[in-house]
Amino acid sequence: GAGVSQTPSNKVTEKGKYVELRCDPISGHTALYWYRQSLGQGPEFLIYFQGTGAADDSGLPNDRFFAVRPEGSVSTLKIQRTERGDSAVYLCASSWTGLETQYFGPGTRLLVL
Amino acid sequence: AQSVAQPEDQVNVAEGNPLTVKCTYSVSGNPYLFWYVQYPNRGLQFLLKYITGDNLVKGSYGFEAEFNKSQTSFHLKKPSALVSDSALYFCAVRDKGGNNRKLIWGLGTSLAVNP
Repeated sequence: GAGVSQTPSNKVTEKGKYVELRCDPISGHTALYWYRQSLGQGPEFLIYFQGTGAADDSGLPNDRFFAVRPEGSVSTLKIQRTERGDSAVYLCASSWTGLETQYFGPGTRLLVL
Repeated sequence: AQSVAQPEDQVNVAEGNPLTVKCTYSVSGNPYLFWYVQYPNRGLQFLLKYITGDNLVKGSYGFEAEFNKSQTSFHLKKPSALVSDSALYFCAVRDKGGNNRKLIWGLGTSLAVNP
């Protein structure tokens, strides 16, 4: 079956702009996660959804970052007033429940100029 | 606090030789442990996990890992390496207790298998 998909695959923006990154989880998966991976680092947790609600948003670095999952399926990660330090690969993962193995999408590579 | 250490930035092995990629962890309770592999410009692919039961876990592509509670380790192994195994390997941990669902990751180990 189809895996986790993320769009766009690459995004180049200018400092100060607003960006939206989209994640389509595996069908039926109730849990959805966002991570951020910088070059030479392991993934860093951002936020976890169980259904429509954010069960844990402790990893969001500041209030410029926000994520939604209004119907419990697709999720959008929103970054306001982007900064060069936001440049990274943003990874989305999903699982059947919050307890199961997380399956990852290919990521969105964000470059802030 | 939870943490994961992968002490080797890079591991080099000859094709056909056994390989080991090391991982140690720290959690307050009992751990869930995972190994993922990342190929260039591709997402993280799940290899195997330890939840409970047998300390030796078998996973995809002939990989296995051994959970050692006393040494707080979860080393990844394969009896005979292939050139196609060359990739970046990540170990991750989650605490079984509470409402914590996020994975904490190591920095990754680059595996190079030489023909």
